[in-house]
Amino acid sequence: SYVLAQPPSVSVAPGQTARITCGGNNIGRKSVHWYQQKPGQAPVLVVYDDSDRPSGIPERFSGSKSGNTATLTISRVEAGDEADYHCQVWDDSSDPWVFGGGTKLTVL
Amino acid sequence: QVQLVQSGAEVKKPGASVKVSCKAAGDTSTHHYMHWVRQAPGQGLEWMGIINPSGVSTSYAQKFQGRVTMTRDTSTSTVYMELSSLRSDDTAVYYCAGDYSNSRDYMDVWGKGTTVTVSS
Repeated sequence: SYVLAQPPSVSVAPGQTARITCGGNNIGRKSVHWYQQKPGQAPVLVVYDDSDRPSGIPERFSGSKSGNTATLTISRVEAGDEADYHCQVWDDSSDPWVFGGGTKLTVL
Repeated sequence: QVQLVQSGAEVKKPGASVKVSCKAAGDTSTHHYMHWVRQAPGQGLEWMGIINPSGVSTSYAQKFQGRVTMTRDTSTSTVYMELSSLRSDDTAVYYCAGDYSNSRDYMDVWGKGTTVTVSS
């Protein structure tokens, strides 16, 4: 089955830019989606189809892809952005909907 | 704005079954693909399966084949997930997540989750 790799943790100071990566074989051919999950809460979709934002998601959240890596970028990080972030793709296999292991973003 | 309202927490003994419900509230004029995703304590998200809008078709992750059953009652806009032969490592928060954008790729509306604890 398809595997997505994320770093376990990323730390950033308030006001700086956080970049969270998601690696997978031929990920360039897939649409990548990102979810934010604050402690004790359900996930929330923050980026879909690599770089689109649902309504209500701040422009500070953006997505990109290069080679075998997708990146979620959070600009001007705020304390309220502290959360786990999960990437997800659809893969044409027996288990099509695949999540990365998640990255804990810590705001210093 | 649709909301997915899940049933309350459950405590089950090993070997038992659990059935979790997820009711769409708000815009229920149409039905959508619904996923079930679980998250064990301190772990990531794990996709379990999907049920189509009519409830006729399902697809389950290989790991849960033979143990999970997903159904839906379109008359009440409710979907159900039943997991049998429970083990301690099934202890997790179980989420329903809907594809309200009709993307077939991602989940844009999530329930708040149902905690299932398996303990003797």
